[in-house]
Amino acid sequence: AQSVTQLGSHVSVSEGALVLLRCNYSSSVPPYLFWYVQYPNQGLQLLLKYTSAATLVKGINGFEAEFKKSETSFHLTKPSAHMSDAAEYFCAVSGRKTSYDKVIFGPGTSLSVIP
Amino acid sequence: KAGVTQTPRYLIKTRGQQVTLSCSPISGHRSVSWYQQTPGQGLQFLFEYFSETQRNKGNFPGRFSGRQFSNSRSEMNVSTLELGDSALYLCASSLFGVEGAQYFGPGTRLLVL
Repeated sequence: AQSVTQLGSHVSVSEGALVLLRCNYSSSVPPYLFWYVQYPNQGLQLLLKYTSAATLVKGINGFEAEFKKSETSFHLTKPSAHMSDAAEYFCAVSGRKTSYDKVIFGPGTSLSVIP
Repeated sequence: KAGVTQTPRYLIKTRGQQVTLSCSPISGHRSVSWYQQTPGQGLQFLFEYFSETQRNKGNFPGRFSGRQFSNSRSEMNVSTLELGDSALYLCASSLFGVEGAQYFGPGTRLLVL
């Protein structure tokens, strides 16, 4: 079955520092991969998606992620953290043929930005 | 375009009752999916409807059901509520389905007492 792990349930960075949020997946078929962000009391917003085109994917708000098949990873980065980046981030994988695990979300990483 | 809307935003029910949640997708989107979000289990896929047909279903009991109307609006129903059903229920719409990019509504927060 598919699974998604996000290393670090909570990450703190200083404003202006590099943001690195880790995501590893397991999938027996070529996956589609996504990063979503959730602000307090809101739904999820798509940051970026990988669908087997370029391995380096650029998203909104200055975020990007690199698909590394050999490492089964899809880590999210941003060169310079901003206070407004404080939120919960979810990595998701889809692409299986079975119905019940069509899309799997990771447990999430809460990002804090220290002024 | 208007985003995904969900009503109501908050609900309080008691055990044994049933509840119906509503979701209006982005105009032109025919796929509507539902998710349950809890602190313990995270985000879990409930089911997906596409053009009024249930296309995919997660691993939830039959108490959780849904439907989609011809205008793509969707409802989710939970019967015989249990305390563990307290959660944020999120609806997402998409052009192509759960395997593609999804656009989420703000959610309905359900509290079961």
